Parts: sequence; C-alpha cells; structure tokens
Amino acid sequence: DAKTTQPPSMDCAEGRAANLPCNHSTISGNEYVYWYRQIHSQGPQYIIHGLKNNETNEMASLIITEDRKSSTLILPHATLRDTAVYYCIVSLRFGNEKLTFGTGTRLTIIP
Amino acid sequence: GAVVSQHPSWVICKSGTSVKIECRSLDFQATTMFWYRQFPKQSLMLMATSNEGSKATYEQGVEKDKFLINHASLTLSTLTVTSAHPEDSSFYICTSGDNSPLHFGNGTRLTVT
Repeated sequence: DAKTTQPPSMDCAEGRAANLPCNHSTISGNEYVYWYRQIHSQGPQYIIHGLKNNETNEMASLIITEDRKSSTLILPHATLRDTAVYYCIVSLRFGNEKLTFGTGTRLTIIP
Repeated sequence: GAVVSQHPSWVICKSGTSVKIECRSLDFQATTMFWYRQFPKQSLMLMATSNEGSKATYEQGVEKDKFLINHASLTLSTLTVTSAHPEDSSFYICTSGDNSPLHFGNGTRLTVT
C-alpha cells in the first residue's frame, strides 16, 4: 500500500471548517483514499473514501487533487465531538484488503 | 449494515492467565477478520488475519502461540491472549474484511496486572 503523510496535530475553532491534508504521492491508479477517525478509546470510524473525484457525504467532504498525490478532508462545521485522531489511508477497494494505519492527525476542536 | 460487535469492551486479568476476546459480525457473514493492536499514544498495528475454517495468518513479530485466533464460523472470530503479561496490555480491535469500507469493532481494552 502507498504511504501517507499527515501533520501530527491541528487545532480548529468550533463552528469553523476543519481542513485536514494528506500526502500520498506514491498512490497507484487503482488505490482509493480512505479517511477514518478514532475518538479516544473507541474503534476507528469510517468517514469517507474516493478514487479521483471529489466526494461528499453527511459527515465530510473529500477533495482529491487532479494528480491524486494529495487530498484534503473537510469537516464543514466542526463541533467538539469531532475531536479525534484522523487517519488517511490508501488502499485497494476490494474485499479482504487490510488497512495500514499511519500516525494520523490529532485534531482538537477548540470552543 | 456491516456491524461488528466486540466483547468484552474492557477486561482486567492477572499475569499468567488467558483472556479471550470475541468479534462478531451481526448482519453479515465474515470470511475474513483482521485483528489490530494499539498501544497507548500509538497507531493501530495489524496483528493477524483470520480466515473462516483455516489457520490465521500472523504479521511478522506476532507470536502465533501466544495470540490464538479461532474463526470457526462465519459470524465469530476469537482472539485468546495466552499467559498474559503486563506488556500485553493494549487496545485490541477487530474488523471484518468482507465489506468495503471496513467497519471496526469498538475495541477491547486489556489490562494485565
């Protein structure tokens, strides 16, 4: 799996948009970008994934650059409950593909 | 859909004893389960992959005789930490490989005293 690079930590004011960057310059053509988050002492929670088009769901938006070497997860209106470690992972989509977690970004939402 | 239930959510055991952790798929059949371990302030590390009806595949550095994995049915995989030591204290998390994206259990916090 391609390696990802994320900033170790970020702060964001409550109510503002949180933009979390991720570099994945060695991504291959059939690998997807997945985002998960882990709130303290819980299992990782799936957020969103994409291949090359931008994606949006009820939780977040995912912006992938045209060359697919980086992406940004956007939480449009951050709340205190969004404080968590966010993991950007590159992987094939098909079943039985294990996910390799990096160190992620610790996002702290500030009241 | 794709709910994975893990039990217990936390357990404390004495050094030298064994502890079993269960991972159940509630609304689907899981032919593959991934077991992860997470030490404090660290990321998740894959320990092993269990396949229904066959032997598990362990990652390098994970002792298969210490971390026994059984995947005898399509809805249940178990991880038994044998002869637990304080250094085995960790957060253990499972997920099924049969769905994309992967949905994780809520984890089991193991403390060995």
